[in-house]
Amino acid sequence: AQKVTQAQTEISVVEKEDVTLDCVYETRDTTYYLFWYKQPPSGELVFLIRRNSFDEQNEISGRYSWNFQKSTSSFNFTITASQVVDSAVYFCALSEANNQGGKLIFGQGTELSVKP
Amino acid sequence: KAGVTQTPRYLIKTRGQQVTLSCSPISGHRSVSWYQQTPGQGLQFLFEYFSETQRNKGNFPGRFSGRQFSNSRSEMNVSTLELGDSALYLCASSFEGFQGYGYTFGSGTRLTVV
Repeated sequence: AQKVTQAQTEISVVEKEDVTLDCVYETRDTTYYLFWYKQPPSGELVFLIRRNSFDEQNEISGRYSWNFQKSTSSFNFTITASQVVDSAVYFCALSEANNQGGKLIFGQGTELSVKP
Repeated sequence: KAGVTQTPRYLIKTRGQQVTLSCSPISGHRSVSWYQQTPGQGLQFLFEYFSETQRNKGNFPGRFSGRQFSNSRSEMNVSTLELGDSALYLCASSFEGFQGYGYTFGSGTRLTVV
């Protein structure tokens, strides 16, 4: 069965703090893809990153970094020196290689609130 | 380039009515997927269309249907609306609809059923 779990429903931090959003996934496939999306109040899902199951290298993009560990089926997302503009709901998602097209399995989302 | 456009942005319908939502993908994208987002169930996959054919379907009743036109624009239809259909409906477009390519989402249509 495919499943994505984001155990943290809400996180509140003060600006400039570092914050890590957790994501744990379940899949029987050996080839799969993991994503992070950001959803601001406007509703649009903004793509942040895509990772395939064969690439366990951590990735850093500015203040954002991602830690992919197949051994623990986790794909965690860290924001360094958070800013108020980072306030949004963040979703982790999974797509299996054998899906016939277009299907992403989303976690329940983590609402991040960054206070000034 | 223009992003994914969904119309209308907001809709209020009465129980029992039907509704049609529209999604115009990014130019050149041939895959369009639809998702329903509710506070209780989160983001759930409805269906995906590629080159006018439904290629994948989620676990929703037959009241939810869709189609795709030759210009890749897609519509989804919900018949006999129920209160529980109130949700944000998001569409996503992709070049091929497979994992090798990214999915770009629209801003959604917020449907309220009263």
